[in-house]
Amino acid sequence: AQKITQTQPGMFVQEKEAVTLDCTYDTSDQSYGLFWYKQPSSGEMIFLIYQGSYDEQNATEGRYSLNFQKARKSANLVISASQLGDSAMYFCAMREGISGGYNKLIFGAGTRLAVHP
Amino acid sequence: SAVISQKPSRDICQRGTSLTIQCQVDSQVTMMFWYRQQPGQSLTLIATANQGSEATYESGFVIDKFPISRPNLTFSTLTVSNMSPEDSSIYLCSVEWDRGRIGANVLTFGAGSRLTVL
Repeated sequence: AQKITQTQPGMFVQEKEAVTLDCTYDTSDQSYGLFWYKQPSSGEMIFLIYQGSYDEQNATEGRYSLNFQKARKSANLVISASQLGDSAMYFCAMREGISGGYNKLIFGAGTRLAVHP
Repeated sequence: SAVISQKPSRDICQRGTSLTIQCQVDSQVTMMFWYRQQPGQSLTLIATANQGSEATYESGFVIDKFPISRPNLTFSTLTVSNMSPEDSSIYLCSVEWDRGRIGANVLTFGAGSRLTVL
């Protein structure tokens, strides 16, 4: 079964509007972490935001916020006030079992976001 | 977070040849990770490289095809051996950025090495 599911292969948004990128995950662990990365066309991976499974508040980092719904196992990324430079691939990722040593990061298939002027 | 330099940034290779990708980190790190991103796909972990021990490979990846060296705490190489067009991918080196909170360590990536095999 897919551990991380991103159901939107592509999204577009008008500049200055908000957009939500979906991510659902599958784990039986109680301790896990969720991450979002941005990959522009140049190829580098840029960390955006982190949410721990025990965090009571939704994570925010500038224009990025994570809409964490634990019961639904979803961790959607919300980008407010979209900018042209936000056009990129966005990957959701999860690390399971974070309380017991290192575990690898598992990535979703990604969502390509296009911001239109 | 650490600064990671990878080279080459891109290369075009002939089928059957091998290419070594270098990864240099500006600080000492325990673990270094090598990922592959095939065209239009997500990232897949190839192996974890610890200094002073054999790399740990993920299912589907073998040492003969992807030998890894880790001679010190700031450097690693990944070799893609006997290349075929299916090996055309971006190969990314990464290290953990300790944010001082259990489980919240973030992977920091190099810019990647984009290989095209003809």
